[in-house]
Amino acid sequence: QKEVEQDPGPLSVPEGAIVSLNCTYSNSAFQYFMWYRQYSRKGPELLMYTYSSGNKEDGRFTAQVDKSSKYISLFIRDSQPSDSATYLCAMTYSGGGADGLTFGKGTHLIIQP
Amino acid sequence: DVKVTQSSRYLVKRTGEKVFLECVQDMDHENMFWYRQDPGLGLRLIYFSYDVKMKEKGDIPEGYSVSREKKERFSLILESASTNQTSMYLCASSFPGGDEQYFGPGTRLTVT
Repeated sequence: QKEVEQDPGPLSVPEGAIVSLNCTYSNSAFQYFMWYRQYSRKGPELLMYTYSSGNKEDGRFTAQVDKSSKYISLFIRDSQPSDSATYLCAMTYSGGGADGLTFGKGTHLIIQP
Repeated sequence: DVKVTQSSRYLVKRTGEKVFLECVQDMDHENMFWYRQDPGLGLRLIYFSYDVKMKEKGDIPEGYSVSREKKERFSLILESASTNQTSMYLCASSFPGGDEQYFGPGTRLTVT
């Protein structure tokens, strides 16, 4: 079963706040996890990619994976109005592009100046 | 920079027409994908391809076919367009052995 749950929002926070975005999944076969950002009327762009439980940091972004709980998170520190977008989690069974990605429905994030 | 381009940003077609959506990538990627994106449903995989002339069905292939005659080009074909195929169509590509997919800007198709 391919199912990924993600709260669609909208999530509205003031500029400078820490943002937490989350996805849960039901199939333990998912092993590789990604976060994409999608601005209005644009295609998704890759933000973070990880395949192990734990944290991965890149600038203001931290991706967290807990495979035992089937739960992934994206944290954004010092949020900016330019971070306003829809954030999509995505996952796949096997590395190497052997499968297409399964996406969450996306969370619409609004950063208020 | 990886560039994935799609032939049209907006397209309006009539029910029953045959529709071609074209995607071109310039990074010599082996893997190419077609998704559709609908409000409340998210992105769903239609078809993908690992190599020229190779194709695999995704989660929702019904009503669609694909063609990959050249490595850089992947076409999505709606044999007989229907109103329930009104959607945003997104093409993506990835390096061989890579999970990170790079997306085009999308084609918003309206079938009337």
